[in-house]
Amino acid sequence: SQTIHQWPATLVQPVGSPLSLECTVEGTSNPNLYWYRQAAGRGLQLLFYSVGIGQISSEVPQNLSASRPQDRQFILSSKKLLLSDSGFYLCAWSQRQVRGPQHFGDGTRLSIL
Amino acid sequence: LAKTTQPISMDSYEGQEVNITCSHNNIATNDYITWYQQFPSQGPRFIIQGYKTKVTNEVASLFIPADRKSSTLSLPRVSLSDTAVYYCLVGDRGRGNTGKLIFGQGTTLQVKP
Repeated sequence: SQTIHQWPATLVQPVGSPLSLECTVEGTSNPNLYWYRQAAGRGLQLLFYSVGIGQISSEVPQNLSASRPQDRQFILSSKKLLLSDSGFYLCAWSQRQVRGPQHFGDGTRLSIL
Repeated sequence: LAKTTQPISMDSYEGQEVNITCSHNNIATNDYITWYQQFPSQGPRFIIQGYKTKVTNEVASLFIPADRKSSTLSLPRVSLSDTAVYYCLVGDRGRGNTGKLIFGQGTTLQVKP
């Protein structure tokens, strides 16, 4: 069966520090991968999605970037964090060839101080 | 991408059937309707997906009228553990294989003893 892993589960970072969140998927090949952010009490906002290695599409202008160095690895990064980057970050995957839903990881709670 | 409208919150009691209706007046021909459940500090979990008429699985049923401008998620005999936020999403699972989805604020379901 397929599984998705995100780490860390929680992270506290000072303003101006760099960020690297990692997401990996097991049990499937060539997945579509997604990064979402969820503000407190709000719905999910799509940040990036990827349909293949090195292929990244950005949905909103922001202080963050994403990379996909391997087929089942998706990384969310920032060179200098802002207070507004605080939130709950979720990674998700979906099968590319078969029409199916997205499956989410357990998320990373990021707090910027 | 079609916009969805659903109630902000609903209350129910254990053992009752809960029906959450979602409006999606601008649904396109290729769009599917998907429902997710989210508990605090967890990623959304796929519940059910459908295109038309009725879909049923082990946890819920999804009713879609002929015009597809709305859909109803039905949860039979809810328990306290069904207290969560429920999201209705509409999207084309096949166009460009990107699978992009737009999450709204969802419906917060509170199940009382």
